[in-house]
Amino acid sequence: ETGVTQTPRHLVMGMTNKKSLKCEQHMGHRAMYWYKQKAKKPPELMFVYSYEKLSINESVPSRFSPECPNSSHLFLHLHTLQPEDSALYLCASSQRDVTRGYTFGSGTRLTVV
Amino acid sequence: KQEVTQIPAALSVPEGENLVLNCSFTDSAIYNLQWFRQDPGKGLTSLLLIQSSQREQTSGRLNASLDKSSGRSTLYIAASQPGDSATYLCAVNDYKLSFGAGTTVTVRA
Repeated sequence: ETGVTQTPRHLVMGMTNKKSLKCEQHMGHRAMYWYKQKAKKPPELMFVYSYEKLSINESVPSRFSPECPNSSHLFLHLHTLQPEDSALYLCASSQRDVTRGYTFGSGTRLTVV
Repeated sequence: KQEVTQIPAALSVPEGENLVLNCSFTDSAIYNLQWFRQDPGKGLTSLLLIQSSQREQTSGRLNASLDKSSGRSTLYIAASQPGDSATYLCAVNDYKLSFGAGTTVTVRA
């Protein structure tokens, strides 16, 4: 299977809930990324995992907690979010070879109520 | 810090017209540049990847050029169709991807 798969596609959660976003790829990519995209804005990098180790955290609030248990899966754990965290959350993967491009998933549309 | 600018922000053309989308970046020390398409509320679909050593890349009706020294890339879409209506994002890879704000294209039937 090629490509990056994200689940769920849509998520509505209350500010006191705890939920998780899932991302999966089977292309053998060893770098995985979380991006946040607000309406009519470009994607903003949140986290980078390289060989299952967190290599970049773009000063993201601790209410967002990433996890990369193996080379194929990436999670974003969410707790006590704010309404302003509502956005499209995109997962991407790439080879560690910088000449290769990025592959993005279809995203999870998150609404915090 | 890399700054990526896309002009114009929006474009509306009649079907059949050629599209020209511009992207500029401030730091020429890049590995490559990638053009993406995004439909409303959807993820990013990669269109073309052009390496820093390349001058252009082609795929079907799409052609992307890169002038690294001047910090510019252009995406050409020939003979536009209503199905080409979407937002087009360019992203520069200098270890991290830096995105432009996108050009929203509407092709009128």
